[in-house]
Amino acid sequence: DAKTTQPNSMESNEEEPVHLPCNHSTISGTDYIHWYRQLPSQGPEYVIHGLTSNVNNRMASLAIAEDRKSSTLILHRATLRDAAVYYCILRDPFGNEKLTFGTGTRLTIIP
Amino acid sequence: GAGVSQSPSNKVTEKGKDVELRCDPISGHTALYWYRQSLGQGLEFLIYFQGNSAPDKSGLPSDRFSAERTGGSVSTLTIQRTQQEDSAVYLCASSAGRYDEQFFGPGTRLTVL
Repeated sequence: DAKTTQPNSMESNEEEPVHLPCNHSTISGTDYIHWYRQLPSQGPEYVIHGLTSNVNNRMASLAIAEDRKSSTLILHRATLRDAAVYYCILRDPFGNEKLTFGTGTRLTIIP
Repeated sequence: GAGVSQSPSNKVTEKGKDVELRCDPISGHTALYWYRQSLGQGLEFLIYFQGNSAPDKSGLPSDRFSAERTGGSVSTLTIQRTQQEDSAVYLCASSAGRYDEQFFGPGTRLTVL
């Protein structure tokens, strides 16, 4: 599986937008970019995924670079409930079904 | 609707004992995964079931670990002769299809004394 690189930690003020970066320079043409997050003492939960175009849903937006070597998860207005570890994961729809989690980015929200 | 449930939520056992961890996936989900998360570590894939196909056991760390899925629904992860390094949170996930969004349960925290 292609590897992703994320900052270990980030901080953001409550009610401010948050941009969580992810580098995936070895991404293949068929890899989808998925984001999951894990709130404290809970299992991971799906956030969003995309292939080439930017994506929006009720939780977040995903901005994908034109060369697909990087992407950014955008939380438009962070709340204290968004404090979690965010994982950027590449999934090949023709490859292994498992999720390969890296170390993720621990997001701290400052009240 | 009901999400993925796991039981027990916590299990404390003595080294050398066998343990069974249970996962109830979302009804109708054909894919079921087991992962584990050791303290301060990332999530590690253990095993994957898809429908009636042979499971992908490539992530099981040793032959002390086994899992089954009965009737395409409930799954049990069994750890025989537990060791202290088996202490972790064991997470189960299910998805509607092979590459669909995975829904995770709350996990079972296993402590081996």
